Formats: sequence, structure tokens, C-alpha cells
Amino acid sequence: AQKVTQAQTEISVVEKEDVTLDCVYETRDTTYYLFWYKQPPSGELVFLIRRNSFDEQNEISGRYSWNFQKSTSSFNFTITASQVVDSAVYFCALSEAGRDDKIIFGKGTRLHILP
Amino acid sequence: DAGITQSPRHKVTETGTPVTLRCHQTENHRYMYWYRQDPGHGLRLIHYSYGVKDTDKGEVSDGYSVSRSKTEDFLLTLESATSSQTSVYFCAISGRPGQNTEAFFGQGTRLTVV
Repeated sequence: AQKVTQAQTEISVVEKEDVTLDCVYETRDTTYYLFWYKQPPSGELVFLIRRNSFDEQNEISGRYSWNFQKSTSSFNFTITASQVVDSAVYFCALSEAGRDDKIIFGKGTRLHILP
Repeated sequence: DAGITQSPRHKVTETGTPVTLRCHQTENHRYMYWYRQDPGHGLRLIHYSYGVKDTDKGEVSDGYSVSRSKTEDFLLTLESATSSQTSVYFCAISGRPGQNTEAFFGQGTRLTVV
């Protein structure tokens, strides 16, 4: 069965520090999709990235980067030079393509960026 | 804006009453989902739909039913609301995960059962 584990419940770092949010997933499928979403204090859910299981290339978008490693079933998210506006809850999610495509989320990591 | 609207945005209801939440999309996306968000549990899938009249249960479906009679509308019904169903409910839509579409979320509905 598909499962997403975000072991870090809450993280606090000082502004400008780098921070990595961990995501470990379980799936029986060879084709699947991984996602990260951000939920700022205002409550909406904002899509950040989607990655398919055949693309293990790391991705960088500004201060955000993602490290996908199939060998360890991990899809970690790093924020470089963190800013107060990065304070939010971050969710990792998994969808098994070819089954029912339901998207299952981890429990989220609450990130506090301290000024 | 992904063209997804939830209604109502806030609701207070009494235990034992039926409640229906509506999710409306203007994107013609095939998939629609209902999640609930609770502290310590993240987002948990209640029900989802992969087409008109095609629905299936998620992780926490007990006490909930859904209907999708049109592509654009996905209704979540609490047949007899209980205090444990006090939560924030999110609707999401997607074309098909991975096929150049992402899941978009509604603004959420805060439901309080007293």
C-alpha cells in the first residue's frame, strides 16, 4: 500500500539558514508520482513540484531544490537561505499511476523560520 | 486561480444533522478528491472520484458519502454529523496525476459540529 512518511513534525531554523525537509515513501508500483505542497498560515495549499518515478534528476527552482533518490525511497526538499515567508506547513504526497491515481499525503512538516 | 470553489467556507452544525459540502470546478478535470485536515494527521483522503458517477473510498470514509452527477460538482455528505467530524475539509481536482497536471486545491471548508 502507498504510504508517505514525514518524520519531522516541526522544524525551527534561523533566517538565512538552509533547511531540508525529509520525505520517505512506500509503493509497490514502478510508476508513481511524488509531490510537494506548501500550506502557509493563510491556509491554502500551494503546489510546488511534481516528479515522476522515471526522472531521478534533482530539480532546483530558485532557493528550492528537491533530491529524489529511488534507492532510498526518498524525495527530500531543501530550502536554501531560508526566509520568514517560507514559514509554512509542507506536505509530501504520492500517487500510484495505473491504479486509482489517488493522492496520499504525509502528515506534514511545520517549518518556522525565525527572524 | 485553478477554478475550484468550495461552499460553504464555514459551517457550524449540530450533532446528528446531515451536512453537505460542495466542490465546484470550472477546469473540466477528471479527478476530484475530498480530504480532511486535522492537527497531527495531515491531509487524509475521504473519498475521490475519477469520473461522473465513479467514486471510491479513501482512508477515512466512514460516516461520509459522496456523489458526482456532473463533471464539475463533487458533493461530500456527512449523513449524521458527529463531533469527530469537526475539521477543515479540502477539495482537490486533477486531470490525471503525472500527466502534466497537478492537483489544485480549494480554499477549504471549516466545519464545526457542536
